[in-house]
Amino acid sequence: AQKVTQAQTEISVVEKEDVTLDCVYETRDTTYYLFWYKQPPSGELVFLIRRNSFDEQNEISGRYSWNFQKSTSSFNFTITASQVVDSAVYFCALRNPSGFQKLVFGTGTRLLVSP
Amino acid sequence: EPEVTQTPSHQVTQMGQEVILRCVPISNHLYFYWYRQILGQKVEFLVSFYNNEISEKSEIFDDQFSVERPDGSNFTLKIRSTKLEDSAMYFCASTQGSTDTQYFGPGTRLTVL
Repeated sequence: AQKVTQAQTEISVVEKEDVTLDCVYETRDTTYYLFWYKQPPSGELVFLIRRNSFDEQNEISGRYSWNFQKSTSSFNFTITASQVVDSAVYFCALRNPSGFQKLVFGTGTRLLVSP
Repeated sequence: EPEVTQTPSHQVTQMGQEVILRCVPISNHLYFYWYRQILGQKVEFLVSFYNNEISEKSEIFDDQFSVERPDGSNFTLKIRSTKLEDSAMYFCASTQGSTDTQYFGPGTRLTVL
């Protein structure tokens, strides 16, 4: 069975602080894909990043960075120098390569960035 | 940039009524999905659709739900007799290949009174 755990329900930071959102996953598959999506207050789901299980290289995109560690089954997301516009709910999701590859989402972490 | 679109953005209906939620996937995509998000909760998979048939469905997707691709562009979700607990945000997603990233539409907020 696949499962994604985002233990942090809500995080509040002040602008310019760095913040890390945790994601821990469970899967029996050796090949799988991990994702982060952002859901701003307007409600849509915005794709941020996808990682394949065979590629543990960390990734940086502007103020965003992702730390993928298979040894601890974690795929954490860090926002550097947070901004008010980063306020949103962030979902981590897992997909296995079998079947038609539905996404299994975590419960999300609400990030509140205050000025 | 191509995007998934959904209509309506908000639908209000009475319990027991039928609703049809519409989605236009990205034009060259072949795999289509519906997900549901009850207010304040996580996003849950409902159904996947490929080659004009359902490829996988969740326990939520019971006989009250159906999906259809009536033409080359639309992908619809029908709820035959809505219940209060069907109130949620419904997201459509599409992907070109089964291993590709799923791109989501903006969602339809369904309110059942």
